[in-house]
Amino acid sequence: SAVISQKPSRDICQRGTSLTIQCQVDSQVTMMFWYRQQPGQSLTLIATANQGSEATYESGFVIDKFPISRPNLTFSTLTVSNMSPEDSSIYLCSVLPQAAYGYTFGSGTRLTVV
Amino acid sequence: GNSVTQMEGPVTLSEEAFLTINCTYTATGYPSLFWYVQYPGEGLQLLLKATKADDKGSNKGFEATYRKETTSFHLEKGSVQVSDSAVYFCALSLNSGGSNYKLTFGKGTLLTVNP
Repeated sequence: SAVISQKPSRDICQRGTSLTIQCQVDSQVTMMFWYRQQPGQSLTLIATANQGSEATYESGFVIDKFPISRPNLTFSTLTVSNMSPEDSSIYLCSVLPQAAYGYTFGSGTRLTVV
Repeated sequence: GNSVTQMEGPVTLSEEAFLTINCTYTATGYPSLFWYVQYPGEGLQLLLKATKADDKGSNKGFEATYRKETTSFHLEKGSVQVSDSAVYFCALSLNSGGSNYKLTFGKGTLLTVNP
């Protein structure tokens, strides 16, 4: 299965600033997914990022707040813009390299907004 | 829409006890089912999966059987260890293309195993 490198692993940011999270995969994948896990909660899908097309956002998430880039089949970034304390969460990227292997997750980015 | 309901816990067991974490689902179609585990301070790891009715997924002593008639995918382990302490997430996906590829998660169950 795929191996994902996600950076940074954690960060503490000031409100009003932006943070860009990177996700690098060791193999080419068509679909990449970005999830948010708020403290003590389950995972919620933010958007699906396919190479060569605009990301598809889930209800409650907008591109201005969470812009996503997908320049090639092994890399994606998620930016959390104009941050507030409510954005403090773990952000995870995920890929589905092959259906037989299931979804693989990065180790996550723990974001704290102060 | 699709949804996953799992026992929320927390669940506290002694070492070598039997574990069951219940998971039921609602889906428009025939989903693939997954159990993921999140150890303290880490990301999610796939524990096991099943892609069709009556399939049994197994890994590290954990098992779960895809029961279409009861729309369930309960996680079991015969003898838990302290190292099994983690949060366990049940999830489904439809794998039929478009947004149905996404995973829908249950709320997670915190398991603590005491020595």
